[in-house]
Amino acid sequence: GENVEQHPSTLSVQEGDSAVIKCTYSDSASNYFPWYKQELGKGPQLIIDIRSNVGEKKDQRIAVTLNKTAKHFSLHITETQPEDSAVYFCAASRAKGGYSTLTFGKGTMLLVSP
Amino acid sequence: DGGITQSPKYLFRKEGQNVTLSCEQNLNHDAMYWYRQDPGQGLRLIYYSQIVNDFQKGDIAEGYSVSREKKESFPLTVTSAQKNPTAFYLCASSIAGGEDEQYFGPGTRLTVT
Repeated sequence: GENVEQHPSTLSVQEGDSAVIKCTYSDSASNYFPWYKQELGKGPQLIIDIRSNVGEKKDQRIAVTLNKTAKHFSLHITETQPEDSAVYFCAASRAKGGYSTLTFGKGTMLLVSP
Repeated sequence: DGGITQSPKYLFRKEGQNVTLSCEQNLNHDAMYWYRQDPGQGLRLIYYSQIVNDFQKGDIAEGYSVSREKKESFPLTVTSAQKNPTAFYLCASSIAGGEDEQYFGPGTRLTVT
């Protein structure tokens, strides 16, 4: 089955710095890679996603890169702000019995200090 | 407002009792999912349903059961056979399948003593 490894588990940065979170996956058939942000006491929310026919995608201060050959993808947050503090999860799709589900990484707690 | 709701937010049960967690969505989504979240473990898939009256086991289905009698509802029962039921449970839905954006509910924290 699919296995998704996520690093680092915690990341502390100063406001205005950049933050990078990296994930690797094992199933070469995976072709959808979303990133979710979870604030304390809430459910995760999609912040950006990328599909296998694209190498990079940007949305304002957030970008995701995908290297299908190496089976890794990364989340880049520039000009970090205190409200970026949250737990971030990467995920990779996998086919299972004719259906598609997501396998999540274990999460990265991002702390942005003012 | 469209969205996905879970109730209650906190639930306490005695060991040996079955308990049912509610999940309702008014997004007209076909697919629904249940995840379990433990500290440092990410989200693990318990059960999912792509369509009414059909559901599939996820990675950690043992000790859980679900039903999908209505498109809007996907309740999860934590049975007494679940060895370590204390956790944070998240329900999600998506338009059609796993490669569509999943919308999550606020979660239910279950404590079994």
